[in-house]
Amino acid sequence: SQQGEEDPQALSIQEGENATMNCSYKTSINNLQWYRQNSGRGLVHLILIRSNEREKHSGRLRVTLDTSKKSSSLLITASRAADTASYFCATDGNDYKLSFGAGTTVTVRA
Amino acid sequence: DAGITQSPRHKVTETGTPVTLRCHQTENHRYMYWYRQDPGHGLRLIHYSYGVKDTDKGEVSDGYSVSRSKTEDFLLTLESATSSQTSVYFCAISGGKDRNYEQYFGPGTRLTVT
Repeated sequence: SQQGEEDPQALSIQEGENATMNCSYKTSINNLQWYRQNSGRGLVHLILIRSNEREKHSGRLRVTLDTSKKSSSLLITASRAADTASYFCATDGNDYKLSFGAGTTVTVRA
Repeated sequence: DAGITQSPRHKVTETGTPVTLRCHQTENHRYMYWYRQDPGHGLRLIHYSYGVKDTDKGEVSDGYSVSRSKTEDFLLTLESATSSQTSVYFCAISGGKDRNYEQYFGPGTRLTVT
């Protein structure tokens, strides 16, 4: 069964706008990760946030984690056409197995 | 793609035939995984390996078996393919020298069972 669930399922924004997607999970975690998948390709790791961290930045990406609400958000600022992809959250419970959500499909319109 | 290759990249096979997919890594990572990806389901873990000859089941392991005789190769076998196994299969690796939890994915194998 999936641990993480992303919301919304799909998102369409104009180039230059920000995109925000959320992930909720059910059980306690060690880390939460976000991945990107371009059409027809494998997943690419974006960012990892540990359970004792609340916020993390990487370039135009900002991830927050609220363990009390069992939720995380991924913000992409100043979106570009190249950000068009599906985004997945994944959780791990202090082992090397990940549990993925069904993903959010982001379309950035020129 | 972090030194991970999958073969074949595309395969069409008939119901009832055995199929083997291969994952090969050049990164010397300890952990290897097989996932399947279907619309609306994200990625689901089929089997994983935590070392040579050490494997365990994931959440959707029925109808699949795996083998890992060398660090660099992880094979996924569909013993008797069914139409419900039509999917895109991804191999991933993790547990490199830094012992981090990030996974690196191969390019995928698109399997169609007719």
